[in-house]
Amino acid sequence: EVMLTQSPGTLSLSPGDRATLFCRASQSISSNYLAWFQQKPGQAPRLLISGASARATGIPDRFSGSGSGTYFTLTISRLDPEDFAVYYCQQYGNLPRTFGGGTKVE
Amino acid sequence: EVLLVESGGGLVQPGGSLRLSCSVSGFSFSSYSMHWVRQAPGKGLEYVSGINNSGGNTYYADSVRGRFTISRDNSKNTLYLQMSSLRPEDTAVYSCVTFGSRTNYFDYWGQGTLVTVSS
Repeated sequence: EVMLTQSPGTLSLSPGDRATLFCRASQSISSNYLAWFQQKPGQAPRLLISGASARATGIPDRFSGSGSGTYFTLTISRLDPEDFAVYYCQQYGNLPRTFGGGTKVE
Repeated sequence: EVLLVESGGGLVQPGGSLRLSCSVSGFSFSSYSMHWVRQAPGKGLEYVSGINNSGGNTYYADSVRGRFTISRDNSKNTLYLQMSSLRPEDTAVYSCVTFGSRTNYFDYWGQGTLVTVSS
């Protein structure tokens, strides 16, 4: 299995701040098939980014993804109050798919 | 409207078995791979198992391989997860999900069903 390590575990920021979240893979992810999800308490996760950098339908452009191989980043340019949540990376290039442990933005 | 509705969760003793179902409507079930993802109370997401659109290929997380079996019935738009030799660490909310295809990635999630493994 491909292990995904997310850092930091918790990010303490204020509205308007820039947030940078990291996801490191234990091996290169095929075709950069790396996704980012947002989860708020009591809700199902929501897809933000696929293919490392493509925003999902309806996702604001303050969310951006980058990276390749084993190192990926999710950036939120200016935090909106609704962005405080837990973020997970997921790889879908290697089977079985796997998730990272999550980063809480508080 | 897309709906994924899980059922079959409950309390089971360690070593026991349980079968989860996920009834799907609102999208072309037979066109896409389907997956189970679980989340233990207060913990992160854990990928459990997946099956391709025809049911011919299945894959499992190391933590459940050999104990869980995923299957689907495209005539009934239903996904299943047969769980056996259950352990306390399998306690979680189990959700069925589709992520579309690798080149057209999207997500539809069910609300989840709680499985509690305890004596």
